[in-house]
Amino acid sequence: GENVEQHPSTLSVQEGDSAVIKCTYSDSASNYFPWYKQELGKGPQLIIDIRSNVGEKKDQRIAVTLNKTAKHFSLHITETQPEDSAVYFCAASLTFMDSNYQLIWGAGTKLIIKP
Amino acid sequence: DVKVTQSSRYLVKRTGEKVFLECVQDMDHENMFWYRQDPGLGLRLIYFSYDVKMKEKGDIPEGYSVSREKKERFSLILESASTNQTSMYLCASGIEQYFGPGTRLTVT
Repeated sequence: GENVEQHPSTLSVQEGDSAVIKCTYSDSASNYFPWYKQELGKGPQLIIDIRSNVGEKKDQRIAVTLNKTAKHFSLHITETQPEDSAVYFCAASLTFMDSNYQLIWGAGTKLIIKP
Repeated sequence: DVKVTQSSRYLVKRTGEKVFLECVQDMDHENMFWYRQDPGLGLRLIYFSYDVKMKEKGDIPEGYSVSREKKERFSLILESASTNQTSMYLCASGIEQYFGPGTRLTVT
């Protein structure tokens, strides 16, 4: 089955710098790759996603890139701010929009923004 | 705004008790999910449902069951709670997986 690995487990960056989190997946048939942000005491929240027919997607300071050949995708956060401090999860799905839709999750990255 | 509510934020139960965790969503979503979250292990899928009375096992269904009698409500049941079920339980709804705030369950 699908397996998703996420690195690093902890990332500390200076406020204003960029942060990059990387995930690799094992099944080349995966077709949907969302990213979630989990703040302390809350459930994860979808922040950006990408389908397998797209190589890059941007939304203000965040972007996701997908390399299908290498089977990896990355989250990029530019001009980091204190409110970006959180745990970030990547995920992948083989069954997007199917009735048995489910996600396979990475282990998470704790992002720390240093003032 | 989508709202996903979970019945309790914190719960303490004794070993062997039957535990019910309830999740309610207000967006008429067909898909609902139950996860547990443990440090270093990310989110692990326990059960999911894509329609009323339909349920599918996730990665770690052992020791759990679920019920979906109405579209808006998806319940997770621990038939006989054990200490290794101490965890954060998260419910999600919809393709985008809108999450509830979670229930931190402690089994003593």
